Amino acid sequence: SQTIHQWPATLVQPVGSPLSLECTVEGTSNPNLYWYRQAAGRGLQLLFYSVGIGQISSEVPQNLSASRPQDRQFILSSKKLLLSDSGFYLCAWRGWGVTYEQYFGPGTRLTVT
Amino acid sequence: QKEVEQDPGPLSVPEGAIVSLNCTYSNSAFQYFMWYRQYSRKGPELLMYTYSSGNKEDGRFTAQVDKSSKYISLFIRDSQPSDSATYLCAMTSNAGGTSYGKLTFGQGTILTVHP
Repeated sequence: SQTIHQWPATLVQPVGSPLSLECTVEGTSNPNLYWYRQAAGRGLQLLFYSVGIGQISSEVPQNLSASRPQDRQFILSSKKLLLSDSGFYLCAWRGWGVTYEQYFGPGTRLTVT
Repeated sequence: QKEVEQDPGPLSVPEGAIVSLNCTYSNSAFQYFMWYRQYSRKGPELLMYTYSSGNKEDGRFTAQVDKSSKYISLFIRDSQPSDSATYLCAMTSNAGGTSYGKLTFGQGTILTVHP
């Protein structure tokens, strides 16, 4: 069966510090991968998605970036965090094929102080 | 106007009640519909996935899609305190290209089932 991992689970970082969040998927090959942010208020905002190694599409211009160095690894980064980057970051995967449901990881709660 | 509208609630019901959660949408290209359940401080969990008008049942959960009215619903029968969570609807078209598999989410409805 497929499993998705995210770490760290929680993170408190000062403004201006760098960020690296990691997501890995097990039990599937060539998944589509997604990064979302969920601010207080519950809505999910799509940040980045990737259909393959090295292929990244950005949905929202901001100081965040994403990379996919391996087939089942997705990394979210920032060089300098802003207060507005606080939120709940979720990674999701979707299998290659004709179905469209996405499966989410446990999330990383980021607080920028 | 948002592409997907969902009543944020909160919704509070007694145990055993039938719960109805609803979303409306404006984009007629949406063809695939999902319901997710999200417990506090956890990632969303997929509950139901449908791609045609009509009803789909899974245990106590029934997903209903009315494409002509651009309206989807999730019904929970015999609700339990463990159903207390935020419920998110999501949908997508089958467009490829740069919007590959992109989901559009509702804002979520907070549900509390009290004993």
